[in-house]
Amino acid sequence: SQQGEEDPQALSIQEGENATMNCSYKTSINNLQWYRQNSGRGLVHLILIRSNEREKHSGRLRVTLDTSKKSSSLLITASRAADTASYFCATDVNGDDKIIFGKGTRLHILP
Amino acid sequence: DSGVTQTPKHLITATGQRVTLRCSPRSGDLSVYWYQQSLDQGLQFLIQYYNGEERAKGNILERFSAQQFPDLHSELNLSSLELGDSALYFCASSRWTGNTGELFFGEGSRLTVL
Repeated sequence: SQQGEEDPQALSIQEGENATMNCSYKTSINNLQWYRQNSGRGLVHLILIRSNEREKHSGRLRVTLDTSKKSSSLLITASRAADTASYFCATDVNGDDKIIFGKGTRLHILP
Repeated sequence: DSGVTQTPKHLITATGQRVTLRCSPRSGDLSVYWYQQSLDQGLQFLIQYYNGEERAKGNILERFSAQQFPDLHSELNLSSLELGDSALYFCASSRWTGNTGELFFGEGSRLTVL
């Protein structure tokens, strides 16, 4: 079964708008990561947030983590056409070595 | 360029056959992860090696096996192939083991079983 589940499954917004996607997970974790995948390509790391952090920023990305709710959100501000991609969250499971990905959110930026 | 090399990029084979996918991790990385991505599916974790030793196992089929060699490259062997094994297989590497840092992904090996 999946550890992480992204929501929504798909999202279409106008260029310039903000995009928010969410990730929920089931067990305790050490860290949570977000990755981007352009169609059929390898995943690219975006940001890592540790379990003792609540918020982290990187450029136009803002990630929050609520360990009490076992959830995280990724906000992309001022979206661009190049942001069109699938976004995945990834976590460990109870601190073990495996890193599990969700099914992802497909983001489409409309011109 | 992530520094992770996967070969072959594309592979077409028949049911019942056996294939080997190869992964060369980024220089200095000790961990190798294997994932399977089917159409409209997320990444399914298969197996992870760290410095030559198996460290974590996912829902990897018994028909699949993997190993990491002393030079740290890894191979994923898929045997008795079925139509449902058609997927994109990704290898990723990281410096250490566990969820402590980013994974660097290769561009994948696309397997088509006919």
